[in-house]
Amino acid sequence: GESVGLHLPTLSVQEGDNSIINCAYSNSASDYFIWYKQESGKGPQFIIDIRSNMDKRQGQRVTVLLNKTVKHLSLQIAATQPGDSAVYFCAERYNNNDMRFGAGTRLTVKP
Amino acid sequence: NAGVTQTPKFRVLKTGQSMTLLCAQDMNHEYMYWYRQDPGMGLRLIHYSVGEGTTAKGEVPDGYNVSRLKKQNFLLGLESAAPSQTSVYFCASSQDRVGFNNEQFFGPGTRLTVL
Repeated sequence: GESVGLHLPTLSVQEGDNSIINCAYSNSASDYFIWYKQESGKGPQFIIDIRSNMDKRQGQRVTVLLNKTVKHLSLQIAATQPGDSAVYFCAERYNNNDMRFGAGTRLTVKP
Repeated sequence: NAGVTQTPKFRVLKTGQSMTLLCAQDMNHEYMYWYRQDPGMGLRLIHYSVGEGTTAKGEVPDGYNVSRLKKQNFLLGLESAAPSQTSVYFCASSQDRVGFNNEQFFGPGTRLTVL
């Protein structure tokens, strides 16, 4: 899950396994959500997004699930590869244009 | 297309010094943003712009100023740097407000240390 502490949550998976990264968002009125990937020393990169009127959205090897009842978002990465190693964080949009970003989870893929 | 570029990549300042960070985008985007990223924390919005000649305050604007004189450039200024401004700064741009089919594109970041 997400953390605002100094140390990010970590997830370590074996190459080829599926990864699930979780995010608890804060505002029940948020209407749009994004997952980003950030590699070391680089800027965030958009992965996939979802609107609040959707429960699930699939991309290439990634799936985002939204549970509005418990304000929870998850990112599933299928057949995780070493190149997937990065920090992943979620973002929520509220008040029409305000964004709140999570601190992220560090994913490490072991070969 | 270079996307979003930032200069400089690294900078060390002494307390009280001033500097300007430059962000440029070649996607003709209307919206531009400046964020800071601190260890273990999510991105926080400093200032943003919804078009050439406009600027607005974000979540943490104190100690920073911005200007958007040209559509492709968004400058972030620190008039009198403080150690609390040590951070990694990211610029981003989007065509419209962030939403479906309107993603933000981020630059590579500027790592600033204030001694």
